Formats: sequence, C-alpha cells, structure tokens
Amino acid sequence: NAGVTQTPKFQVLKTGQSMTLQCAQDMNHEYMSWYRQDPGMGLRLIHYSVGAGITDQGEVPNGYNVSRSTTEDFPLRLLSAAPSQTSVYFCASSYYTQGAGEKLFFGSGTQLSVL
Amino acid sequence: AQKVTQAQTEISVVEKEDVTLDCVYETRDTTYYLFWYKQPPSGELVFLIRRNSFDEQNEISGRYSWNFQKSTSSFNFTITASQVVDSAVYFCAIRGDNQGGKLIFGQGTELSVKP
Repeated sequence: NAGVTQTPKFQVLKTGQSMTLQCAQDMNHEYMSWYRQDPGMGLRLIHYSVGAGITDQGEVPNGYNVSRSTTEDFPLRLLSAAPSQTSVYFCASSYYTQGAGEKLFFGSGTQLSVL
Repeated sequence: AQKVTQAQTEISVVEKEDVTLDCVYETRDTTYYLFWYKQPPSGELVFLIRRNSFDEQNEISGRYSWNFQKSTSSFNFTITASQVVDSAVYFCAIRGDNQGGKLIFGQGTELSVKP
C-alpha cells in the first residue's frame, strides 16, 4: 500500500528554472492538496483539488500551477523558480466521512532549494 | 475564512512533566473540523485526532488528551507524563464546512522534552 508518493525528495534549482513536483495517491481519495512548510510559518496551503478536473487556490498560490487530470495525480509546477520558494513541500490526499470529517494522508515531503 | 493561532512557538519541559499545547481558532462556519498533527524530527506528518464542531466531548488516548471548548474557540492538547519521544512540532488545523482538501494550519508548537 503506497499511500501518497511524492517525488523528488530533494531538488536544487537555479533562479528562473522551472520544474514539476510529482504527487500520486493510490487510495482513490477525492481531495488532494499541496502545502509548503517554512520555519515559524507552519504549513500553508498552496493549491487544492476536490476531484479530477477541479482545482482551486489556497493561501499562497502565486508562482505555482496545478492540474488534476486524474484522481491519482496532482502535480505542482513552479513556472520560474525564485529563492522565496525555497521550502519543504508536502502533498496530501484525503477523504471525507459524514460526521467524522476529513483525514489527510501526507507524502514524505520534498526539500526544494532555489539558488 | 479560517484561521488557527498557536501562540506557543517553543515549549521545553523535563520528562514526566505534563504539558498543554494551546490552539485557538477562528471561523464563521457552524460546521467545522479541528485536527492535531505531530511532526517528529524525521519530518513526516502524523495524524493525531480530528473533532467536528458538534462534538465537544473531551477525548483521551493514552497519555494524550484534548479539550475542545467552543465558548473560547479553543482546542488544546495535553500530554501527561511527557516522554523524550514526544519531542516534535505539533500542528493544530481547521477545515471549514464544504471545504474539502482545504485544511488551514497554525504555525506549530515545537515541544522539546528533556530527560
């Protein structure tokens, strides 16, 4: 049972480069999200999706694009990397149960450095 | 919009002490869900508890307990007889009604338990 798989685990970019962080889940969850974690800032929501073909912006969406063509995959694209995007990125998938609410399953994270 | 405040940035205790981590939230939704996650030094995010807004019963799980008070918009987390393995960053989060995939996290509290 793979759960939520994020790749790569580490990445170094130069300013202006583009790249895609991959996220895949095999639990058939309807919801998927991307967060970034910075010291003293907690986890901040970048983008999220409530199903294939549906995405929306979170708290800090600028500089990032997402798409959700399948239920399983939710890639995060950095169009032109900036040093301010140096962070640890977490992908999550989740499902909702009436009354109990939602439970997020997180990937293991991607450490991204932009020089 | 939802907001979570964890005013305690860092807490240091000696093993076997009890410690309470504070969480205050803001929301205009009548239905919402509250969460606690643990992030040990290894970096993964571990789910601890979720609670919906209609269930104000306190919860106890081993050495962990949670006190949910709607009157003060708080969802505090207490560790009894702390252990070194409890050292981690703890995050409180909220999800509003019909906000699938959109958890909003607090800044986190770093707990250090010394032997």
